[in-house]
Amino acid sequence: SQKIEQNSEALNIQEGKTATLTCNYTNYSPAYLQWYRQDPGRGPVFLLLIRENEKEKRKERLKVTFDTTLKQSLFHITASQPADSATYLCALEDSSYKLIFGSGTRLLVRP
Amino acid sequence: DAGVTQSPTHLIKTRGQHVTLRCSPISGHKSVSWYQQVLGQGPQFIFQYYEKEERGRGNFPDRFSARQFPNYSSELNVNALLLGDSALYLCASSLAHLVARINEQFFGPGTRLTVL
Repeated sequence: SQKIEQNSEALNIQEGKTATLTCNYTNYSPAYLQWYRQDPGRGPVFLLLIRENEKEKRKERLKVTFDTTLKQSLFHITASQPADSATYLCALEDSSYKLIFGSGTRLLVRP
Repeated sequence: DAGVTQSPTHLIKTRGQHVTLRCSPISGHKSVSWYQQVLGQGPQFIFQYYEKEERGRGNFPDRFSARQFPNYSSELNVNALLLGDSALYLCASSLAHLVARINEQFFGPGTRLTVL
């Protein structure tokens, strides 16, 4: 069956450290993968999109990698801050026009 | 510029009733998608509309329906409400068009539906 898996356990790290979140998928062949941030009670906010032919994408303190062989994307936040605390969702397209989300990983950054 | 707006923000209904949720996309966006999000889960795709036509449908029963209007706003209708329909309903707009793959989605704040 098709699955997108993100670590359901919260990631708790110290301010200033690098947070690394994982997104694994099975039985999909996505052309690209997206990452979103969601704060409690609010809609997700788009962060980054990485295409299948891109190994890595960066935006300020954010970095995303995409390994189509491992069927995995890693999302990194460097020099993390308490304001980075949120739930991070990965998403991919399964077939035309259907965006499928993982269940998200909650990140807690301690001051 | 205004972002995606949704109304109402909160709604309480009883089992068996129906509900209509509304969404206005970002100006210039012709694609609107609807998602259901239950606590602790990611958004689950319900529908996508582009130029007033349904482009995609998720695994939801026929009690769920939607439409898009000429001004690109959209409505999601749910009939015969069940307790399990309680969730945050999210609308998202994007620049996606017929021949392009899905672009980034811009989400609204959602409508919190509680079914008693």
